[in-house]
Amino acid sequence: GIQVEQSPPDLILQEGANSTLRCNFSDSVNNLQWFHQNPWGQLINLFYIPSGTKQNGRLSATTVATERYSLLYISSSQTTDSGVYFCAVHNQAGTALIFGKGTTLSVSS
Amino acid sequence: DVKVTQSSRYLVKRTGEKVFLECVQDMDHENMFWYRQDPGLGLRLIYFSYDVKMKEKGDIPEGYSVSREKKERFSLILESASTNQTSMYLCASSFETGYGYTFGSGTRLTVV
Repeated sequence: GIQVEQSPPDLILQEGANSTLRCNFSDSVNNLQWFHQNPWGQLINLFYIPSGTKQNGRLSATTVATERYSLLYISSSQTTDSGVYFCAVHNQAGTALIFGKGTTLSVSS
Repeated sequence: DVKVTQSSRYLVKRTGEKVFLECVQDMDHENMFWYRQDPGLGLRLIYFSYDVKMKEKGDIPEGYSVSREKKERFSLILESASTNQTSMYLCASSFETGYGYTFGSGTRLTVV
């Protein structure tokens, strides 16, 4: 099946710093999404980005489908950005999302 | 807003018990999913359903079953709970199979 690898597994930042999270996937995909799980466990969709670049406030994401990777950029990080960031892609049947193992981000003030 | 409600936030059960985890969504979504989340392993798909009474195995269905008798409710059943099923269980629903996922708050299950 499709493999989804995220790096780094853990990231510790001071407030105000910028960061880049990476997601590599093993096969061509037509559906890549980024999610954020807050420290209380709630998962929220950040981006649906099968290709190209999108921005939402301090967050932006870029997917280069031909090279099988996606990047999530967080600028001027805040403590509320802490949590786990997951990327997810369709399984081969296109019936469900398969998630990577996540990047745990800790932002301290 | 779409709501996905999981019946329990925390649950402690004994080894061998039959355990039901309930999930209800209020937006008439066709698709519902059960994932488990473990440290270092991310979210792994257990089962999903794209219609009432329909179910499909995910990547780790062993030791679990599901029930979807009504469109809004998707239940995960641990037939005989074991300690290696101690985990966070997350339910999600979506209108389309790969888009617009809404997750519940999760049930943290401990099997002792």
